[in-house]
Amino acid sequence: AQSVTQPDIHITVSEGASLELRCNYSYGATPYLFWYVQSPGQGLQLLLKYFSGDTLVQGIKGFEAEFKRSQSSFNLRKPSVHWSDAAEYFCAVRYGNKLVFGAGTILRVKS
Amino acid sequence: GAVVSQHPSRVICKSGTSVKIECRSLDFQATTMFWYRQFPKQSLMLMATSNEGSKATYEQGVEKDKFLINHASLTLSTLTVTSAHPEDSSFYICSARPPWGLNYGYTFGSGTRLTVV
Repeated sequence: AQSVTQPDIHITVSEGASLELRCNYSYGATPYLFWYVQSPGQGLQLLLKYFSGDTLVQGIKGFEAEFKRSQSSFNLRKPSVHWSDAAEYFCAVRYGNKLVFGAGTILRVKS
Repeated sequence: GAVVSQHPSRVICKSGTSVKIECRSLDFQATTMFWYRQFPKQSLMLMATSNEGSKATYEQGVEKDKFLINHASLTLSTLTVTSAHPEDSSFYICSARPPWGLNYGYTFGSGTRLTVV
């Protein structure tokens, strides 16, 4: 079955520090992968997506993600975190016409 | 482009009443929309796929008679929570994917916080 695992429920980083959020997926074919961000009480905003081609994907707000087929991973990174990045981040894989989400990682930024 | 509007953002209703949530695609036509439910501190779970002009497709375990979905036009899907109970209290989010280009991501509404008292 298709699944997405985000092993870290919470992550706390200092402002200005680098960030990596982990995502592993289980999918038989070439995956379509997404990262979304959700602020409290809000909907989801697309950060970036991977369908094919270059395995390093650039997104909005300075985020990037790297697709590694051998590791079934699609980790999200940002070189320098800002306080406004505090939110919940969801990794998702498209299965047919649907999205399957991971459990999410809550990012806390300390000053 | 690709804006999805969801209304209301918050609603409080009494147990036993019904609540309707609207999801509109503002700048594109959406033949398919998706309804998700999110419990506190949990991920999004797909409830159903709403298809314009036909019946919705529900995920396993979702009560069709409890969560009525109507997709009467290419820009509007509605979710009605019938005979609501406190356990239906949750955050409901709709989503759609614009038709321009298969590689475009899904756009989400801002969600509806339903509280049943």
